[in-house]
Amino acid sequence: GAVVSQHPSRVICKSGTSVKIECRSLDFQATTMFWYRQFPKQSLMLMATSNEGSKATYEQGVEKDKFLINHASLTLSTLTVTSAHPEDSSFYICSAHRAGGTDTQYFGPGTRLTVL
Amino acid sequence: KNEVEQSPQNLTAQEGEFITINCSYSVGISALHWLQQHPGGGIVSLFMLSSGKKKHGRLIATINIQEKHSSLHITASHPRDSAVYICAVSGGGADGLTFGKGTHLIIQP
Repeated sequence: GAVVSQHPSRVICKSGTSVKIECRSLDFQATTMFWYRQFPKQSLMLMATSNEGSKATYEQGVEKDKFLINHASLTLSTLTVTSAHPEDSSFYICSAHRAGGTDTQYFGPGTRLTVL
Repeated sequence: KNEVEQSPQNLTAQEGEFITINCSYSVGISALHWLQQHPGGGIVSLFMLSSGKKKHGRLIATINIQEKHSSLHITASHPRDSAVYICAVSGGGADGLTFGKGTHLIIQP
């Protein structure tokens, strides 16, 4: 149990386009989902915390108008990278916290975004 | 903001060796996580600790809350254990994680 999926796993797009990444908890309800970003050879960094039915909380330095997060249901959160640029190329990974669960977070497999 | 330090950054060992990876953090936490990341990027959660010791197969994780330190041990290491091992801490269930930079482990046959 406790499976989290991400789609797509890999995306290549042109500069200026928008890309949507989906994160789904397949067999549990997630009141909170987290979005992380990892640049090459760097550690993962928290971008934002997404709570179902409310606005996401963004970490310092992360532009909320560029990285749109929607958590419309207890099993789905989406991250949209708007007007993507080459510097947005990164590995994006989500995790989900099970409603009523412990501190465990369940990670999705990640999405590798390449912006040309 | 919690500072998470891991050591060593890189470790190459021979198959069968006992492996230890260390993690220290600066501020009190609710839980500490050990994660494994393979070259494709996917992350697997190995352990979540708030006290004491946990064991799963050949992996053992310990934490000392007073000293703000945790260790991950691998017994009878195998080439398939080659991966990046990441320590991460959280302040509570609904808090995002703060990650260490990872330890790149290579086990040679």
